[in-house]
Amino acid sequence: DAKTTQPNSMESNEEEPVHLPCNHSTISGTDYIHWYRQLPSQGPEYVIHGLTSNVNNRMASLAIAEDRKSSTLILHRATLRDAAVYYCILRDRGSNYKLTFGKGTLLTVNP
Amino acid sequence: GAVVSQHPSWVICKSGTSVKIECRSLDFQATTMFWYRQFPKQSLMLMATSNEGSKATYEQGVEKDKFLINHASLTLSTLTVTSAHPEDSSFYICSARLAGGPSYEQYFGPGTRLTVT
Repeated sequence: DAKTTQPNSMESNEEEPVHLPCNHSTISGTDYIHWYRQLPSQGPEYVIHGLTSNVNNRMASLAIAEDRKSSTLILHRATLRDAAVYYCILRDRGSNYKLTFGKGTLLTVNP
Repeated sequence: GAVVSQHPSWVICKSGTSVKIECRSLDFQATTMFWYRQFPKQSLMLMATSNEGSKATYEQGVEKDKFLINHASLTLSTLTVTSAHPEDSSFYICSARLAGGPSYEQYFGPGTRLTVT
């Protein structure tokens, strides 16, 4: 699987937008970009995914660069409950749906 | 939404004993389930892929005789840690993929914390 690079940690203030970056310069044409998050002592939770176009759902937005070598997860208004480790994962469309987790970004939300 | 449960949520066992962890998809059928292990302050590491009715596929470096996986039905997969040792102490997490669903629909359980004394 192609690798992703994320900052180890980021901080945000409550009710402010958060932009979580992810670099994936070796992405292939069949790789989907997935984002999951993991709250402390819990299993991961699906956030959003995309292939080429920007995506929006009730949790977040995903902005994908035109060359697909980077993407940004956008939380429009951070809440304290958004404090978690956010993982950016590339999944090949032809794979057996396996997810390979990297180190992720620890997001701290300040009140 | 789809819910995956794990039982027990935490377990303490003595060195040398075996412990079984259950992963259930509560309101959907899962042809594929995955088992992960997570050590403190580390990321999730995929251990094996479990397909209903067939043998599990283990990742490189994972001992199949030590971590027995059974996926006997579309809603239940079990992981048995045999002859557990303190180094097996970890957070074990399963996930389930919705049968016939879009490829992104993978749901995670809440995890099982295993402590081997």
